[in-house]
Amino acid sequence: QVPLVESGGGVVQPGGSLRLSCAASGFTFRNYGMQWVRHAPGKGLEWVAIIWHDGSNQYYADSVRGRFTISRDNSKNTLYLQMDNLRAEDTAVYYCATVRGSSWSLWYFDVWGRGTPVTVSS
Amino acid sequence: QSVLTQPPSVSAAPGQKVTISCSGSSSNIGNNYLSWYRHLPGTAPKLLIYENNKRPSGIPDRFSGSKSDTSATLGITGLQTGDEADYYCGTWDNSLSAWVFGGGTKLTVL
Repeated sequence: QVPLVESGGGVVQPGGSLRLSCAASGFTFRNYGMQWVRHAPGKGLEWVAIIWHDGSNQYYADSVRGRFTISRDNSKNTLYLQMDNLRAEDTAVYYCATVRGSSWSLWYFDVWGRGTPVTVSS
Repeated sequence: QSVLTQPPSVSAAPGQKVTISCSGSSSNIGNNYLSWYRHLPGTAPKLLIYENNKRPSGIPDRFSGSKSDTSATLGITGLQTGDEADYYCGTWDNSLSAWVFGGGTKLTVL
C-alpha cells in the first residue's frame, strides 16, 4: 500500500486551473502537516506550499502565492493544491509529502508520493 | 538562484567517499535544522538525513550529515553505482518564511 498517491495532473493552457489531490493511507493523516514540492524539467526541487495538520495555517513560495491554494480534508485523508492562473513555468511534476517536526525549525519531509505531472502549454 | 548553495556536481569512484556541501546563512542553516534528500527524476524523493545528522530507519550508515554554523555537509562512503542521483539540502528560512532547497548536486559514480 502506497502511503501517498497524487492525482489530478494534466495538460492545461496558460491562465487555466487545475486541482491536484494527494490521497493518504496507512497512517493518521490528521496528525501530520503536509506539503507540496515540484520538480520542473532540468531544474531542482522547488518547495511550493505547506499546511498545518489541522489546516489552521499555510505558507507559500513567492512564485505561487496568490495563485495556488493548499487545503486538506482530514475526513477524507486528502490534501489538495488548487492551481489558478497557471503559467508555463509551473510545468513540473508535483509531489506531496508528510511534514515531521514540532516547529518549522525542525521540519523535514519523510514520506513522499510518486508525483503527478502538470504541463502548462498552449 | 537558490538561497542554499550546493556544488552542481560531484564524482568519485565506486567504493570511495564523497562529500556534498550546503552553504546558507543565519536566517536558514544557522538557526534551523537541515535535512538531505536524494532524487532520481521521475521518482519520489527520499529522505536521507534529518535534524542535521539523524538517519531515518532503513538508511544505511554509509550516509552521514553534519552542520557547522551556516554550512552543512552530506557524506557518502562506500560509493555504489546505485547512489547516482541528485542530492538536495533543505531547511526553513526565517527571513523568507518559506522552506528552501539547495540547487541540488548531481552525484556521478565513475
